[in-house]
Amino acid sequence: SQTIHQWPATLVQPVGSPLSLECTVEGTSNPNLYWYRQAAGRGLQLLFYSVGIGQISSEVPQNLSASRPQDRQFILSSKKLLLSDSGFYLCACWGGRTNEKLFFGSGTQLSVL
Amino acid sequence: SQQGEEDPQALSIQEGENATMNCSYKTSINNLQWYRQNSGRGLVHLILIRSNEREKHSGRLRVTLDTSKKSSSLLITASRAADTASYFCATDSISVGSARQLTFGSGTQLTVLP
Repeated sequence: SQTIHQWPATLVQPVGSPLSLECTVEGTSNPNLYWYRQAAGRGLQLLFYSVGIGQISSEVPQNLSASRPQDRQFILSSKKLLLSDSGFYLCACWGGRTNEKLFFGSGTQLSVL
Repeated sequence: SQQGEEDPQALSIQEGENATMNCSYKTSINNLQWYRQNSGRGLVHLILIRSNEREKHSGRLRVTLDTSKKSSSLLITASRAADTASYFCATDSISVGSARQLTFGSGTQLTVLP
């Protein structure tokens, strides 16, 4: 089954600093990959998804960008963080016997101060 | 955008009691799924119910789906302190021209008191 690695687990960054969060996937090939953000005590907001190398779709306009340099690598970036970028970031991909379940990484808690 | 809305937002019960959480959604779906999230962790898939199914069981979990009302419920029987977590419904909607995606609700925070 799929395993999703995310790092770092926690990150504290000043406003205006750059960001790079990495997600790698094991146990599958050519996965659809997703970046979600979760505000404290809230549901998940889809930020980006990718169906293949170099293919990125953005769901909401924002200060963030995503890239997929390799089949099983998905990166979330920002050139200058805003306070509103704080949140819990989760990477996910489809899996399971019928490929209908989302598997999630353990998440990155980002605090922008 | 948030498709599913869970109700209640928070639920506190005693160990051994049953917990019921509800979810409403807006568009036509292929299936509806429930996920669990422990504090500060990723989500874990619990159960999936297809649009042509009305009820499904998995261990102490029972899920119902009413497509005419666009609603689902998750019942956890004989709750345990370890069931304390946030529970989210997610809809796999019928869409054209875009990649598959799940749309999550805002979640129910369940606290089971020992």
